[in-house]
Amino acid sequence: NAGVTQTPKFQVLKTGQSMTLQCAQDMNHNSMYWYRQDPGMGLRLIYYSASEGTTDKGEVPNGYNVSRLNKREFSLRLESAAPSQTSVYFCASSLSDGANVLTFGAGSRLTVL
Amino acid sequence: AQSVSQHNHHVILSEAASLELGCNYSYGGTVNLFWYVQYPGQHLQLLLKYFSGDPLVKGIKGFEAEFIKSKFSFNLRKPSVQWSDTAEYFCAGVPDQGGKLIFGQGTELSVKP
Repeated sequence: NAGVTQTPKFQVLKTGQSMTLQCAQDMNHNSMYWYRQDPGMGLRLIYYSASEGTTDKGEVPNGYNVSRLNKREFSLRLESAAPSQTSVYFCASSLSDGANVLTFGAGSRLTVL
Repeated sequence: AQSVSQHNHHVILSEAASLELGCNYSYGGTVNLFWYVQYPGQHLQLLLKYFSGDPLVKGIKGFEAEFIKSKFSFNLRKPSVQWSDTAEYFCAGVPDQGGKLIFGQGTELSVKP
């Protein structure tokens, strides 16, 4: 039971570098999400994909892009990393959006110097 | 704008004390509400959820929450906390018809043995 798998678990970047966080789920879920978690701010939605082929902005999309590669995979890209993007990133999936429970990945800790 | 607010940022209790964590939401229409928990070093997992019906919902590990529509609240309660309940607790909401799951800021609970 892999559930939601995120890679990498840890990453250190320099300002201006780019990187992609990968996320895959094996539960045949339709909806996938990227959140960032910062102290005192809770979890804030960056982007989500209600179904394969669609993506929508969340609360804090600036500086990020996403790709719903197929039903299983949903990647998050930082084109030009900034120190303000230092955070823990969580990928999640659910059967569909709305009333369904989210299953979370283990998180990816990103530090931008 | 849709939002979820948690009033308490850090709560410290002794074992066997009673717990109530506040959560308020602002949504038009029917809303689905959740409480998630994040134990130290782990990813988020579902504690309980409310979709419709009985406004008092019971979750895992003796937790319960009451949906009070007139107060736009969904407070989490437990009659007697244990040291193992030390964690961060997140309230979250999403419109019933679908869309973005929005989280509150989180409440860190520390239980002293």
